[in-house]
Amino acid sequence: KAGVTQTPRYLIKTRGQQVTLSCSPISGHRSVSWYQQTPGQGLQFLFEYFSETQRNKGNFPGRFSGRQFSNSRSEMNVSTLELGDSALYLCASSLQGGPNYGYTFGSGTRLTVV
Amino acid sequence: DAKTTQPPSMDCAEGRAANLPCNHSTISGNEYVYWYRQIHSQGPQYIIHGLKNNETNEMASLIITEDRKSSTLILPHATLRDTAVYYCIVGSNTGKLIFGQGTTLQVKP
Repeated sequence: KAGVTQTPRYLIKTRGQQVTLSCSPISGHRSVSWYQQTPGQGLQFLFEYFSETQRNKGNFPGRFSGRQFSNSRSEMNVSTLELGDSALYLCASSLQGGPNYGYTFGSGTRLTVV
Repeated sequence: DAKTTQPPSMDCAEGRAANLPCNHSTISGNEYVYWYRQIHSQGPQYIIHGLKNNETNEMASLIITEDRKSSTLILPHATLRDTAVYYCIVGSNTGKLIFGQGTTLQVKP
């Protein structure tokens, strides 16, 4: 079966712009989480969506937002980009997202802000 | 902050078992232990998880001590392709995984 698909794979944006990243979960999966990975901070949780509702949120500024559609596809948006937003953004999906489930990660979108 | 402590790096000979330890002394009763690994430039890969009992799947075995304060991930026959960063995570909400720095496992020929 198809895995978690993230688009685009690579992106270059200018400081001050905004960006939208897309994540298509595994078919049937209803929980989607987003993570940011940087060399300095490692993997950090951004937010999780389940059935179109944000269920968990990490400690990121309001410039980072997301949403989930009825088909479970999810998007995250970063407004007013800063150089420090350059990172690998990872999406992960799970059937239910409960404690007895593992998550499947996508390959990520590498965002470079110049 | 991560609730686990792992050694920053380990080596293992190809074909031998790799035993990766993890301390989680503050784990609470409803928290699971999860293991993921990340091969360079790829997304993390789920390996295994458990609550109290030892678990085994096609990739690895997870041994959890009786007091649940520590665990060991065992890769029974390590190959060069198992070279990766291994993350031990504890939590009761997999929708919000708190990753630490992990253990960099280097499998050597």
